[in-house]
Amino acid sequence: GQQLNQSPQSMFIQEGEDVSMNCTSSSIFNTWLWYKQDPGEGPVLLIALYKAGELTSNGRLTAQFGITRKDSFLNISASIPSDVGIYFCAGPSFSGTYKYIFGTGTRLKVLA
Amino acid sequence: EAQVTQNPRYLITVTGKKLTVTCSQNMNHEYMSWYRQDPGLGLRQIYYSMNVEVTDKGDVPEGYKVSRKEKRNFPLILESPSPNQTSLYFCASSFVAGGPYEQYFGPGTRLTVT
Repeated sequence: GQQLNQSPQSMFIQEGEDVSMNCTSSSIFNTWLWYKQDPGEGPVLLIALYKAGELTSNGRLTAQFGITRKDSFLNISASIPSDVGIYFCAGPSFSGTYKYIFGTGTRLKVLA
Repeated sequence: EAQVTQNPRYLITVTGKKLTVTCSQNMNHEYMSWYRQDPGLGLRQIYYSMNVEVTDKGDVPEGYKVSRKEKRNFPLILESPSPNQTSLYFCASSFVAGGPYEQYFGPGTRLTVT
């Protein structure tokens, strides 16, 4: 079935640094979504991307829908301690079903 | 307040003892789904439902059952739990129009099967 691979798996950064992470798939996705999971809670949607090449921002977060439709990128600028958590890419399966696929996650830790 | 609720939040049980985890949403969403989260594997979809009486398998349905008799409720049933079903479970819901894009998640149920 479709899989989403995220990298890096985890990262430790200093407060104020910029962060980049990506998500790749072996098959095409028509929609890419990025979620954040705070410790002890369920994921919350950050950004949704609907068109190849689309670049969308939400405050300090910027995400891009790759031209090949097989990847997406998330950048966080000027990280702060509350950015700590797990970031997931996700999307509806493009296989004629309404399955929903999540990536493996990138765990972010911010050192003050 | 718009929300997805799950109960119980924590559950420790023994192998083979049937259990049900409840999920309810108050947003009139058509789409509801169950996921399990395991370290290094992200969230994997167990079952989903497009509307009342319409359910379908996700990627890891073995050992689980679901039902959708009412729009707001989507319980997850483990008929004979085994230790490999020890995991963190999330229920989620969304509208269907245009696709089940933005999922709203419950707080999670941590299940331990001994």
